[in-house]
Amino acid sequence: AQRVTQPEKLLSVFKGAPVELKCNYSYSGSPELFWYVQYSRQRLQLLLRHISRESIKGFTADLNKGETSFHLKKPFAQEEDSAMYYCALSGNNRLAFGKGNQVVVIP
Amino acid sequence: KAGVTQTPRYLIKTRGQQVTLSCSPISGHRSVSWYQQTPGQGLQFLFEYFSETQRNKGNFPGRFSGRQFSNSRSEMNVSTLELGDSALYLCASSWGQGGLTNTEAFFGQGTRLTVV
Repeated sequence: AQRVTQPEKLLSVFKGAPVELKCNYSYSGSPELFWYVQYSRQRLQLLLRHISRESIKGFTADLNKGETSFHLKKPFAQEEDSAMYYCALSGNNRLAFGKGNQVVVIP
Repeated sequence: KAGVTQTPRYLIKTRGQQVTLSCSPISGHRSVSWYQQTPGQGLQFLFEYFSETQRNKGNFPGRFSGRQFSNSRSEMNVSTLELGDSALYLCASSWGQGGLTNTEAFFGQGTRLTVV
């Protein structure tokens, strides 16, 4: 079974401060991890995937198989980063999502 | 290219009724997945179709069913509606070849179902 845990529901940070969203997973196979983002009044969209190893909008995420984690980080938060963030794990033709983190960036 | 389109956007139904939701994927995408989104449970997987075949199903009662047509459009049906079925139902499409692994899922804007 696939399981994704995002422990903190709401995260408030000041503009310019670092942001870290935690994601832990459990999966018996080889995991494919993603972060999806939903901005206000917009549809859910892909932010980044672990296999690409790229930085999108200043965000990075590293897959740590030993700790079964895929935390999302950004060194300097911007107001436009305020959104809902979901960690997701792909396997068995399904995406399993965590319950999401609401990020509020305070100007 | 046009995005994933879900119709209708909003629905109000009464308990005991049934409802059908529609999803048109991005052209060329053969995989369509359905999710239920609620404030308490977040996004929960309902089922996934590829080339008219259901490849996986989530832990939902048999009242929830779906199908996919030869043009990849998909419908989901909920029979004997309950108050707890009130939610945002999201559809996502992807290339899907070889499974969902590492293929980006593109989401529709959802259908907001309210059961009264």
